[in-house]
Amino acid sequence: KNQVEQSPQSLIILEGKNCTLQCNYTVSPFSNLRWYKQDTGRGPVSLTIMTFSENTKSNGRYTATLDADTKQSSLHITASQLSDSASYICVVSAIKAAGNKLTFGGGTRVLVKP
Amino acid sequence: GAGVSQTPSNKVTEKGKYVELRCDPISGHTALYWYRQSLGQGPEFLIYFQGTGAADDSGLPNDRFFAVRPEGSVSTLKIQRTERGDSAVYLCASSIAGGGNEQFFGPGTRLTVL
Repeated sequence: KNQVEQSPQSLIILEGKNCTLQCNYTVSPFSNLRWYKQDTGRGPVSLTIMTFSENTKSNGRYTATLDADTKQSSLHITASQLSDSASYICVVSAIKAAGNKLTFGGGTRVLVKP
Repeated sequence: GAGVSQTPSNKVTEKGKYVELRCDPISGHTALYWYRQSLGQGPEFLIYFQGTGAADDSGLPNDRFFAVRPEGSVSTLKIQRTERGDSAVYLCASSIAGGGNEQFFGPGTRLTVL
């Protein structure tokens, strides 16, 4: 069964500090991995996407890494801001005949405090 | 419109009632997805449309759930004989085509079944 596990479930960090979120997956055949940011009461918004051959991808203060051998990904937030408070969801896409199927992780809830 | 819109934003109903949730995808997007998200969890796939047809409805939990997209644009998710366990946020997403293209999410409809 395709699964995506994220850790930690939640964390609190002080404004200006860095943090790293983890994602482990057992999805195959692998197509791509995205990190989404979901603000409270909003739909998820894509931050980064990585395919099998990509090891790292940055989007401003967000940097995602992918190790396709160990099936692990991380999202690093640098110099956190209050606006980074949100849920971060790891989403892995599997190649299916009827179109790619997404498997979502449970998300990591990040709270940035001043 | 500029993004995916969903109506209503909130729906409160009584157990046993029928509800319809509407999704307006981004203009020109042929692929449309419905997800269900429970509190503190990642979205769970329900159904995927390519044009007017349901390409994958394997995520629909039972026959009380049904979705249509008669003209290949707006979609309606229909839930019959609602149960308290149906309470969740129902998210709609669209993409230019199926496959691994980025899915753009709407803000969701929060359904509460009393």
